[in-house]
Amino acid sequence: GQQLNQSPQSMFIQEGEDVSMNCTSSSIFNTWLWYKQDPGEGPVLLIALYKAGELTSNGRLTAQFGITRKDSFLNISASIPSDVGIYFCAGQGEYGNKLVFGAGTILRVKS
Amino acid sequence: GAVVSQHPSWVICKSGTSVKIECRSLDFQATTMFWYRQFPKQSLMLMATSNEGSKATYEQGVEKDKFLINHASLTLSTLTVTSAHPEDSSFYICSARESAYSPLHFGNGTRLTVT
Repeated sequence: GQQLNQSPQSMFIQEGEDVSMNCTSSSIFNTWLWYKQDPGEGPVLLIALYKAGELTSNGRLTAQFGITRKDSFLNISASIPSDVGIYFCAGQGEYGNKLVFGAGTILRVKS
Repeated sequence: GAVVSQHPSWVICKSGTSVKIECRSLDFQATTMFWYRQFPKQSLMLMATSNEGSKATYEQGVEKDKFLINHASLTLSTLTVTSAHPEDSSFYICSARESAYSPLHFGNGTRLTVT
């Protein structure tokens, strides 16, 4: 089946630094989504991407849908302590299909 | 917009009892809802897909008689864990989308502990 490889697995960075994480797949996706999950809560949608090459920002977050449709990255600029959490990428093949999730990137920020 | 409410947020039950978890889309009608299970420090594992008015589609390895799903309306889906055992203890999360072209929005999850 479809699988996503998300990296890095975890990051421990200094407050104010930029962060980058990515997901790759062996198959093509039509939709890429990025979520953040805080401990004990459900994932919250950060950015949704629907078109190859699309670059979308949400505040300090920027995500891109790779041209090959097999990858996506998420950047966080000027990290702050509340950015701490687990970030998941998710891809959808055909519209209406179930999402495939990456394993998550654990982000820790030291102030 | 796109708020999904899940209730209860946590529940403790005795082994052998059943527990019902509700998932509601508050400001949109959800044609499809999904139920996930998440183990500590792991990603979300899809259990089943629930379409309003029809039977749920379960993923391989998920017992449909143990995890009963009902999607009676466009804003409500329920997951009932029947005859719960300690190994059913987990974090259960529902999600919903308005259409096949809409992104998935998640509830806040339910922490189930079976003693």
